[in-house]
Amino acid sequence: QVQLVQSGAEVKKPGSSVKVSCKASGGTFSSYAISWVRQAPGQGLEWMGGIIPIFGTANYAQKFQGRVTITADESTSTAYMELSSLRSEDTAVYYCARVRYYGSGSYGWFDPWGQGTLVTVSS
Amino acid sequence: QSVLTQPPSVSAAPGQKVTISCSGSSSNIGNNYVSWYQQLPGTAPKLLIYENNKRPSGIPDRFSGSKSGTSATLGITGLQTGDEADYYCGTWDSSLGGVFGGGTKLTVL
Repeated sequence: QVQLVQSGAEVKKPGSSVKVSCKASGGTFSSYAISWVRQAPGQGLEWMGGIIPIFGTANYAQKFQGRVTITADESTSTAYMELSSLRSEDTAVYYCARVRYYGSGSYGWFDPWGQGTLVTVSS
Repeated sequence: QSVLTQPPSVSAAPGQKVTISCSGSSSNIGNNYVSWYQQLPGTAPKLLIYENNKRPSGIPDRFSGSKSGTSATLGITGLQTGDEADYYCGTWDSSLGGVFGGGTKLTVL
């Protein structure tokens, strides 16, 4: 049973960058995609983007284009999400999740999810 | 403002049934599978329903899903206090990528 284990909480200054990792334990990414979803305090889920590790191509939500970079290292079954130019509104819990990929740009459900990484942006 | 629309809250007594709606459009629900997630306080979301109406192993049959046109519904029967959580619908949008509803808080009275 694959589990996704994320890196620990971060406290960052406005204008800086943060890089969160997500490692698959008990399995590999296989032919699935990996997405990053964030949740601001008291708010809902927001998809940021994702990557299909075997292809190496990432796609991003328009809101985060130019500020987020998602990469994956198949050899270590680890995905990364780097968010730059941080502002206070980026304070949130960031989740990675494995996503079913049907092919031809078609995706399905998110499962499993990582435990979440709290990123706090504060001066 | 979420792309998918859910009621902010629903409530029912223990043992009763509740439904949670999720409304979208032809660019998302209308042409893609819907999944549902349960988020207990302080934890990561957990998959409840995938491909509109399928339950992963370990999810009791008290949870059900359906889809019609551009809307989907999650049903929970035999409500238990442990079902109190936030519930989210999710799917994919042809222009926006992954999209979720705003979440529905279930209270078991």
